[in-house]
Amino acid sequence: AQTVTQSQPEMSVQEAETVTLSCTYDTSESDYYLFWYKQPPSRQMILVIRQEAYKQQNATENRFSVNFQKAAKSFSLKISDSQLGDAAMYFCAHAGGTSYGKLTFGQGTILTVHP
Amino acid sequence: DAEITQSPRHKITETGRQVTLACHQTWNHNNMFWYRQDLGHGLRLIHYSYGVQDTNKGEVSDGYSVSRSNTEDLPLTLESAASSQTSVYFCASSDYTTGELFFGEGSRLTVL
Repeated sequence: AQTVTQSQPEMSVQEAETVTLSCTYDTSESDYYLFWYKQPPSRQMILVIRQEAYKQQNATENRFSVNFQKAAKSFSLKISDSQLGDAAMYFCAHAGGTSYGKLTFGQGTILTVHP
Repeated sequence: DAEITQSPRHKITETGRQVTLACHQTWNHNNMFWYRQDLGHGLRLIHYSYGVQDTNKGEVSDGYSVSRSNTEDLPLTLESAASSQTSVYFCASSDYTTGELFFGEGSRLTVL
Protein backbone atom coordinates (compact mmCIF):
# COMPACT_ATOMS: atom_id res chain seq x y z
CA ALA A 1 0.00 0.00 0.00
CA GLN A 2 1.11 3.51 -0.71
CA THR A 3 1.78 5.95 2.10
CA VAL A 4 2.45 9.67 1.98
CA THR A 5 4.05 11.53 4.87
CA GLN A 6 4.22 15.25 5.46
CA SER A 7 6.39 15.76 8.52
CA GLN A 8 5.73 19.49 8.95
CA PRO A 9 2.27 20.13 10.44
CA GLU A 10 2.85 23.89 10.22
CA MET A 11 5.22 26.21 8.40
CA SER A 12 5.52 29.98 8.20
CA VAL A 13 7.21 32.37 5.81
CA GLN A 14 7.61 36.09 5.37
CA GLU A 15 5.98 37.67 2.36
CA ALA A 16 8.34 37.68 -0.68
CA GLU A 17 10.54 34.97 0.85
CA THR A 18 10.91 31.33 -0.21
CA VAL A 19 9.58 28.32 1.66
CA THR A 20 9.89 24.58 1.07
CA LEU A 21 7.29 22.02 2.15
CA SER A 22 8.46 18.44 2.59
CA CYS A 23 6.81 15.21 1.47
CA THR A 24 7.99 11.62 1.38
CA TYR A 25 6.12 8.66 0.00
CA ASP A 26 6.36 4.93 -0.21
CA THR A 27 5.22 2.92 -3.19
CA SER A 28 5.97 -0.36 -4.91
CA GLU A 29 4.87 0.91 -8.30
CA SER A 30 7.27 2.09 -10.97
CA ASP A 31 4.69 4.21 -12.78
CA TYR A 32 2.92 6.85 -10.70
CA TYR A 33 1.98 10.49 -10.32
CA LEU A 34 2.64 12.94 -7.51
CA PHE A 35 0.61 16.04 -6.73
CA TRP A 36 0.51 19.08 -4.50
CA TYR A 37 -2.94 20.43 -3.70
CA LYS A 38 -3.71 23.73 -1.97
CA GLN A 39 -6.72 24.18 0.31
CA PRO A 40 -7.40 27.80 1.29
CA PRO A 41 -9.91 28.71 4.01
CA SER A 42 -12.66 28.46 1.40
CA ARG A 43 -12.12 24.68 1.60
CA GLN A 44 -11.78 24.34 -2.16
CA MET A 45 -9.09 21.85 -3.25
CA ILE A 46 -6.86 23.41 -5.91
CA LEU A 47 -4.20 21.55 -7.87
CA VAL A 48 -0.87 23.36 -7.56
CA ILE A 49 1.49 21.09 -9.45
CA ARG A 50 1.76 17.57 -10.87
CA GLN A 51 4.80 15.37 -11.50
CA GLU A 52 4.95 12.19 -13.56
CA ALA A 53 7.41 9.73 -12.05
CA TYR A 54 8.93 8.81 -15.39
CA LYS A 55 9.97 12.43 -16.00
CA GLN A 56 13.32 13.33 -14.52
CA GLN A 57 12.77 17.04 -14.97
CA ASN A 58 11.21 18.75 -11.99
CA ALA A 59 7.79 20.28 -12.64
CA THR A 60 7.39 24.06 -12.40
CA GLU A 61 4.31 26.28 -12.37
CA ASN A 62 5.15 29.96 -12.09
CA ARG A 63 6.33 30.52 -8.47
CA PHE A 64 5.81 26.87 -7.56
CA SER A 65 8.38 24.18 -8.24
CA VAL A 66 9.13 20.71 -6.96
CA ASN A 67 12.28 18.83 -6.05
CA PHE A 68 11.51 15.25 -7.09
CA GLN A 69 14.05 12.74 -5.78
CA LYS A 70 12.78 9.39 -7.06
CA ALA A 71 15.37 7.19 -5.39
CA ALA A 72 14.80 8.88 -2.04
CA LYS A 73 11.01 8.93 -2.61
CA SER A 74 10.93 12.60 -1.78
CA PHE A 75 8.72 15.26 -3.38
CA SER A 76 9.13 18.72 -1.85
CA LEU A 77 7.31 21.88 -2.93
CA LYS A 78 9.14 25.20 -3.15
CA ILE A 79 7.16 28.42 -3.16
CA SER A 80 9.16 31.43 -4.28
CA ASP A 81 8.26 35.08 -3.68
CA SER A 82 5.56 34.04 -1.20
CA GLN A 83 2.33 36.01 -1.28
CA LEU A 84 -0.41 36.45 1.31
CA GLY A 85 -2.71 34.44 -0.95
CA ASP A 86 -0.43 31.43 -0.61
CA ALA A 87 -1.59 30.95 2.98
CA ALA A 88 -3.42 27.63 3.03
CA MET A 89 -3.24 23.95 3.90
CA TYR A 90 -1.06 22.06 1.41
CA PHE A 91 -1.48 18.38 0.70
CA CYS A 92 0.97 16.07 -1.01
CA ALA A 93 -0.62 13.12 -2.82
CA HIS A 94 0.37 10.00 -4.76
CA ALA A 95 -1.49 8.00 -7.39
CA GLY A 96 -0.37 4.77 -8.99
CA GLY A 97 -0.15 4.72 -12.75
CA THR A 98 -3.21 2.53 -13.07
CA SER A 99 -5.13 4.02 -10.16
CA TYR A 100 -7.03 6.45 -12.42
CA GLY A 101 -7.45 9.12 -9.79
CA LYS A 102 -7.38 7.05 -6.61
CA LEU A 103 -5.06 9.27 -4.59
CA THR A 104 -3.32 8.71 -1.28
CA PHE A 105 -2.89 11.97 0.62
CA GLY A 106 -0.48 13.15 3.26
CA GLN A 107 -1.64 14.71 6.52
CA GLY A 108 -1.24 18.26 5.26
CA THR A 109 0.94 21.26 6.13
CA ILE A 110 -0.57 24.57 7.22
CA LEU A 111 1.35 27.45 5.66
CA THR A 112 1.16 30.90 7.23
CA VAL A 113 2.44 33.93 5.33
CA HIS A 114 3.46 36.94 7.41
CA PRO A 115 3.29 40.44 5.85
CA ASP B 1 -17.63 25.40 -17.48
CA ALA B 2 -17.57 21.83 -16.21
CA GLU B 3 -17.86 21.43 -12.46
CA ILE B 4 -18.69 19.17 -9.53
CA THR B 5 -21.58 20.16 -7.29
CA GLN B 6 -22.13 18.78 -3.81
CA SER B 7 -25.23 19.15 -1.68
CA PRO B 8 -25.92 19.96 1.03
CA ARG B 9 -22.86 22.07 1.87
CA HIS B 10 -23.63 21.84 5.57
CA LYS B 11 -25.77 19.36 7.46
CA ILE B 12 -26.42 18.57 11.10
CA THR B 13 -28.04 15.27 11.92
CA GLU B 14 -28.59 12.93 14.84
CA THR B 15 -26.97 9.61 15.60
CA GLY B 16 -28.75 6.73 13.90
CA ARG B 17 -30.35 8.73 11.10
CA GLN B 18 -29.76 7.95 7.44
CA VAL B 19 -27.98 10.70 5.51
CA THR B 20 -27.32 11.06 1.80
CA LEU B 21 -24.79 13.46 0.35
CA ALA B 22 -25.29 14.24 -3.32
CA CYS B 23 -22.56 14.68 -5.92
CA HIS B 24 -23.13 15.74 -9.53
CA GLN B 25 -20.38 16.31 -12.10
CA THR B 26 -20.52 17.74 -15.60
CA TRP B 27 -16.95 16.80 -16.58
CA ASN B 28 -18.23 13.59 -18.19
CA HIS B 29 -15.59 11.68 -16.23
CA ASN B 30 -16.10 7.95 -15.73
CA ASN B 31 -14.15 7.94 -12.45
CA MET B 32 -15.71 9.38 -9.31
CA PHE B 33 -14.58 9.34 -5.69
CA TRP B 34 -15.68 10.18 -2.17
CA TYR B 35 -13.09 11.29 0.40
CA ARG B 36 -13.42 12.43 3.98
CA GLN B 37 -11.12 15.03 5.51
CA ASP B 38 -10.15 14.91 9.17
CA LEU B 39 -7.46 16.86 10.98
CA GLY B 40 -4.24 14.88 11.17
CA HIS B 41 -5.38 12.38 8.55
CA GLY B 42 -5.54 14.42 5.38
CA LEU B 43 -8.09 13.03 2.93
CA ARG B 44 -9.00 9.38 3.04
CA LEU B 45 -10.83 7.44 0.35
CA ILE B 46 -14.29 6.13 1.24
CA HIS B 47 -15.68 4.69 -2.02
CA TYR B 48 -15.00 5.06 -5.70
CA SER B 49 -16.52 4.18 -9.05
CA TYR B 50 -14.96 3.65 -12.46
CA GLY B 51 -18.24 3.75 -14.33
CA VAL B 52 -21.98 3.12 -14.27
CA GLN B 53 -22.92 0.18 -12.02
CA ASP B 54 -19.32 -0.04 -10.74
CA THR B 55 -18.56 0.69 -7.08
CA ASN B 56 -15.54 -0.14 -4.92
CA LYS B 57 -14.60 0.20 -1.27
CA GLY B 58 -11.84 2.51 -0.22
CA GLU B 59 -9.73 2.78 2.90
CA VAL B 60 -12.53 3.86 5.27
CA SER B 61 -15.73 2.40 3.78
CA ASP B 62 -17.41 0.98 6.91
CA GLY B 63 -20.79 2.62 7.50
CA TYR B 64 -20.96 4.14 4.00
CA SER B 65 -22.44 3.07 0.67
CA VAL B 66 -22.61 4.46 -2.85
CA SER B 67 -24.50 3.68 -6.03
CA ARG B 68 -23.80 4.71 -9.62
CA SER B 69 -26.81 4.67 -11.93
CA ASN B 70 -25.49 7.26 -14.40
CA THR B 71 -22.22 8.96 -15.32
CA GLU B 72 -22.99 12.27 -13.60
CA ASP B 73 -23.99 11.25 -10.06
CA LEU B 74 -22.42 9.37 -7.16
CA PRO B 75 -24.49 9.81 -3.98
CA LEU B 76 -22.91 8.82 -0.66
CA THR B 77 -25.21 7.29 1.96
CA LEU B 78 -24.58 6.90 5.67
CA GLU B 79 -27.02 4.18 6.65
CA SER B 80 -26.97 4.96 10.38
CA ALA B 81 -24.95 8.06 11.16
CA ALA B 82 -22.41 7.88 13.98
CA SER B 83 -20.52 10.67 15.75
CA SER B 84 -17.29 9.30 14.27
CA GLN B 85 -18.64 10.24 10.86
CA THR B 86 -18.59 13.94 11.69
CA SER B 87 -16.26 15.21 8.99
CA VAL B 88 -15.89 17.18 5.79
CA TYR B 89 -16.74 15.10 2.74
CA PHE B 90 -15.35 15.72 -0.72
CA CYS B 91 -16.58 14.31 -3.97
CA ALA B 92 -14.14 14.24 -6.88
CA SER B 93 -13.84 13.00 -10.43
CA SER B 94 -10.72 12.26 -12.37
CA ASP B 95 -9.22 12.71 -15.76
CA TYR B 96 -8.51 9.27 -17.19
CA THR B 97 -5.08 10.05 -18.57
CA THR B 98 -3.39 12.05 -15.79
CA GLY B 99 -5.13 10.88 -12.63
CA GLU B 100 -5.70 14.49 -11.61
CA LEU B 101 -8.68 14.89 -9.31
CA PHE B 102 -11.26 17.62 -9.73
CA PHE B 103 -13.02 18.35 -6.45
CA GLY B 104 -16.39 19.61 -5.33
CA GLU B 105 -16.61 22.30 -2.66
CA GLY B 106 -17.05 19.83 0.18
CA SER B 107 -19.91 19.02 2.54
CA ARG B 108 -19.53 19.50 6.27
CA LEU B 109 -21.50 16.89 8.20
CA THR B 110 -22.03 17.05 11.95
CA VAL B 111 -23.53 14.05 13.73
CA LEU B 112 -24.83 14.84 17.21
